[in-house]
Amino acid sequence: GEDVEQSLFLSVREGDSSVINCTYTDSSSTYLYWYKQEPGAGLQLLTYIFSNMDMKQDQRLTVLLNKKDKHLSLRIADTQTGDSAIYFCAESIDYKLSFGAGTTVTVRA
Amino acid sequence: NAGVTQTPKFQVLKTGQSMTLQCAQDMNHNSMYWYRQDPGMGLRLIYYSASEGTTDKGEVPNGYNVSRLNKREFSLRLESAAPSQTSVYFCASSEEVDRPLHFGNGTRLTVT
Repeated sequence: GEDVEQSLFLSVREGDSSVINCTYTDSSSTYLYWYKQEPGAGLQLLTYIFSNMDMKQDQRLTVLLNKKDKHLSLRIADTQTGDSAIYFCAESIDYKLSFGAGTTVTVRA
Repeated sequence: NAGVTQTPKFQVLKTGQSMTLQCAQDMNHNSMYWYRQDPGMGLRLIYYSASEGTTDKGEVPNGYNVSRLNKREFSLRLESAAPSQTSVYFCASSEEVDRPLHFGNGTRLTVT
């Protein structure tokens, strides 16, 4: 995952919005993904965005893509305790996914 | 519909032992993948199979072999385990390459 960079930790108060940021390197990536991993489990696809889009909204999730800066963000509105997990950003390179190291989100009461 | 199933869930090996990690998917996906997850390093691709009958190396293939047994099954073999292979191994599948991946729950392997 050295091509994709994320901050490692984020702490957020319950009810606030969380914003997880990611930078990627390959401008030819066709899709960019966000995955969620809960303890002891595999990765679950949260959402993804096609590279010709700037924004995608899906209920509490908003993905923003800035292709000029190769920056991707995931905003979670009204963060709940069940949102505590590791979130992975991934870009598609040569039809294979390259993952960041993951951002551990901790939701505090 | 179980999705992606991996066995075993846990395994402890001694250095030099061999073992095969099994993976099966029931979604009729063409592409299958093996990743390893290590703390602070995200997931790194070991091998993948774009379609039945083909396999290709990923980012970290050394010390591993794979077999795409049929469309459903993709196994990962460690011929001579080393402590550096202590990791969590994830199998994944997708309809085609460059499509969202569906992951299994992982195999936690410790090599002593």
